[in-house]
Amino acid sequence: QLVESGGGVVQPGGSLRLSCEASGFTFSNLAMYWVRQSPGKGLEWVSFISFDGKNEYYADSVKGRFTVFRDNSKNTLYLQMSSLRTEDTGIYYCARDSAFWTPTWYFDFWGQGALVTVSA
Amino acid sequence: EIVMTQSPATLSVSPGQRATLSCWASQSVSTNLAWYQQKLGQAPRLLIYGASTRATGIPARFSGSGSGSDFTLTISSLQSEDFVIYYCQQYDMWPLTFGGGTKVEIK
Repeated sequence: QLVESGGGVVQPGGSLRLSCEASGFTFSNLAMYWVRQSPGKGLEWVSFISFDGKNEYYADSVKGRFTVFRDNSKNTLYLQMSSLRTEDTGIYYCARDSAFWTPTWYFDFWGQGALVTVSA
Repeated sequence: EIVMTQSPATLSVSPGQRATLSCWASQSVSTNLAWYQQKLGQAPRLLIYGASTRATGIPARFSGSGSGSDFTLTISSLQSEDFVIYYCQQYDMWPLTFGGGTKVEIK
C-alpha cells in the first residue's frame, strides 16, 4: 500500500512537502517515483529516486524547485516542493518501481494521490 | 524528449466488442512501453509492460503488441469496467513520458 499525505492549498511562491508511506512490501529495495496529473489532463512524470536514495532525476518543469528524498527506516518517500506555481496544481501520485535494486522505469503500483492546489 | 501520441482520443465501442488503441512514439523506444488503465477518481493501474507482457492479475482479454515507434493495446471483449481511460508510457529514455490518453466509451 502507498498512502500520500501533505497536499493542500498554497499560494504561488509557497512551499509544501508531500509524504508517501509504504507498507506491505520491502520499500528499501525499490526505486520510487512521483507522477502528477493536472486537472482534466494527462499524466506527467515528476521525479525518481533510487532504492538507496543516492540517485535522483527530475522533470525539467520542476528541476531546481522540487526535491525528492526518502527515509527507508520509516518506509516513507517525500517530495519537497518550493517556489510553487499555478501550473504545479494537480494530483500527485507516488508510485513504485517493479524490480528490486535495478529500476525498470515503469510504475507497477500507485498510491491514491494527494491534491495540491496553487492559487492566490 | 520523446513525445507519445495516442489515437483516438475517444473510442466508442459496444460491450462485448473489440477495442484497439494506438500509441506512437516520436522516436524508437524499442519495447520499453507500458500501458495503464485509469478509472474515474482512481490512480492508474499497470496493465502491460515490455510492450506485450501483462502485469500480475490483468485479465487475458488485454493484450499489447508493437515495437519501435508503433504500439497497440487490444481489449478483446469489452466488459463494463473497461470503459475508462488508457495511457501509454515510454521508459526508453529520460524524461519518462506519457501519451495523452484514450477514453473508451460505450457506443
